Amino acid sequence: DAGVIQSPRHEVTEMGQEVTLRCKPISGHNSLFWYRQTMMRGLELLIYFNNNVPIDDSGMPEDRFSAKMPNASFSTLKIQPSEPRDSAVYFCASSRTASGYNEQFFGPGTRLTVL
Amino acid sequence: AQSVTQLDSHVSVSEGTPVLLRCNYSSSYSPSLFWYVQHPNKGLQLLLKYTSAATLVKGINGFEAEFKKSETSFHLTKPSAHMSDAAEYFCVLAGGADGLTFGKGTHLIIQP
Repeated sequence: DAGVIQSPRHEVTEMGQEVTLRCKPISGHNSLFWYRQTMMRGLELLIYFNNNVPIDDSGMPEDRFSAKMPNASFSTLKIQPSEPRDSAVYFCASSRTASGYNEQFFGPGTRLTVL
Repeated sequence: AQSVTQLDSHVSVSEGTPVLLRCNYSSSYSPSLFWYVQHPNKGLQLLLKYTSAATLVKGINGFEAEFKKSETSFHLTKPSAHMSDAAEYFCVLAGGADGLTFGKGTHLIIQP
């Protein structure tokens, strides 16, 4: 298996622009997680899906952030409009189930820089 | 609520000497515990996991961790550090409805 795939790996954009990050989970995994990592705040869970349904989006910072999972093999995280404080590394992870007892497999991340 | 405390934000050891990364947890449930490693500009990779079987868990790259319920600890060790071990290490607690709870990470520095 190729593991969790994220694209793009790097994104540089200007403030106010729309940014879309993409994730393909491991085949057969039913749960997908979006995280944000910064030096100041560490690793933060933004949202997670179970069987394509958003279960907990309490970590999404504000309405500028939205996430979708139209099918079991694809998810997007969108920021519109983007702001410099959104600059971070965004990770996608998947696991077999949403049970907290299952390990998660992480993608390589997307490094977002908003100028 | 559950929590994870990694007691050291940075640990520096010489190559060939033992590594000890400390982690304490708090949970109302019987926990599962993981250690993940993150190399620079990479995603997180699972090193090892404890899920209520043997209390001494062996992982990849020579790392192991011991679950001690009486001390609520899950410290990560390695007998002999390699330069390639330099990375960020996260202790992670799983259990109940809270999903995964990540520690703040320990930055491991290996001195030549």
